[in-house]
Amino acid sequence: NAGVTQTPKFQVLKTGQSMTLQCAQDMNHNSMYWYRQDPGMGLRLIYYSASEGTTDKGEVPNGYNVSRLNKREFSLRLESAAPSQTSVYFCASTPGQLGYTFGSGTRLTVV
Amino acid sequence: EDQVTQSPEALRLQEGESSSLNCSYTVSGLRGLFWYRQDPGKGPEFLFTLYSAGEEKEKERLKATLTKKESFLHITAPKPEDSATYLCAVQAQGSQGNLIFGKGTKLSVKP
Repeated sequence: NAGVTQTPKFQVLKTGQSMTLQCAQDMNHNSMYWYRQDPGMGLRLIYYSASEGTTDKGEVPNGYNVSRLNKREFSLRLESAAPSQTSVYFCASTPGQLGYTFGSGTRLTVV
Repeated sequence: EDQVTQSPEALRLQEGESSSLNCSYTVSGLRGLFWYRQDPGKGPEFLFTLYSAGEEKEKERLKATLTKKESFLHITAPKPEDSATYLCAVQAQGSQGNLIFGKGTKLSVKP
């Protein structure tokens, strides 16, 4: 089925550990995004990639890095996880002015 | 500063009891306003995009409307399966597709 696939779905990390969240879309979309969702805060943009080969910071980029590996894949890396990064992470893509298609999310707990 | 405010935070309805959700926005040039539905443990699902004041869109029991300062999501004769969190987001002119989300309205429809 066409859509956005995120892996893993759940992850528990210890403070200071690193990990990479993977995202892939098979809709040939140009733009991809990483958001985090916290209770009472709504969805906040971490990083985005308007097109293959470009990445830019969003509202809350500190502590994260991204890689647009190719047109399909956009990964999010936590180099040294902190409890404040406990959240649900969503990847999304869009061809342009149409609404985003979201993945099902990665639920990350940092202890 | 661009921002989106949704009200109420939570809404409890009886099956068949029609109501409306509000999304007020402040943005430096509106490119589009988006409505999403989010079920627990899942990613947001795209519902509507509205581009200009006066525009309306409908889907089953849902109708979205747009003015220069706010949008309404009208729910007619809701059913229990309409229970979800409804998210509103805006895209500003020149934003490279980034969306600014409200915190959502959690709708519960009781049989």
